[in-house]
Amino acid sequence: SQKIEQNSEALNIQEGKTATLTCNYTNYSPAYLQWYRQDPGRGPVFLLLIRENEKEKRKERLKVTFDTTLKQSLFHITASQPADSATYLCALDDYGNNRLAFGKGNQVVVIP
Amino acid sequence: DGGITQSPKYLFRKEGQNVTLSCEQNLNHDAMYWYRQDPGQGLRLIYYSQIVNDFQKGDIAEGYSVSREKKESFPLTVTSAQKNPTAFYLCASSGGDRNNQPQHFGDGTRLSIL
Repeated sequence: SQKIEQNSEALNIQEGKTATLTCNYTNYSPAYLQWYRQDPGRGPVFLLLIRENEKEKRKERLKVTFDTTLKQSLFHITASQPADSATYLCALDDYGNNRLAFGKGNQVVVIP
Repeated sequence: DGGITQSPKYLFRKEGQNVTLSCEQNLNHDAMYWYRQDPGQGLRLIYYSQIVNDFQKGDIAEGYSVSREKKESFPLTVTSAQKNPTAFYLCASSGGDRNNQPQHFGDGTRLSIL
């Protein structure tokens, strides 16, 4: 069966450190993968998109990697700040059919 | 400002009642989506529409219905056939013409049973 796995345990991290989140998938062949941020009671907000032929993508303090051999994406927040505290969702397309499948999300708590 | 507006923010349904959730976008996007989010769960796709007057079932369409008569609007009706409707409902849109467009989300409607 198809699965997208993100760590269910919250990541507690000290301010200024790098937070690293993992997204593993099974039985998908995504052409691209996206990361979203969701705050409590709000809709997700798009952060980054990485294509299958890209190894790494950066945006300000965010970095995403995509390894189609390992079927894994890593999401990094460098120099983390308390304002980065949120739930981060990975999402991937399924054979380019314009539908996204979402992971359950991984909560990040940045401690001042 | 361009964006997606969902209303109402909170909605209560009585047993046996149909309720309709509103979703409007002014982003000129072709594609629109409805998701359901339960505590500790990922977003699950209910219905989506790639173009006006056309829509497809997602993974959990039973007990729901939609219409897409205008590009800007994609209302979702939660029917009495949906036995467990309590959830957070999210509407999204995307450019739709290519397969790598990010989705833009509204701020959701929280539906509860009276």
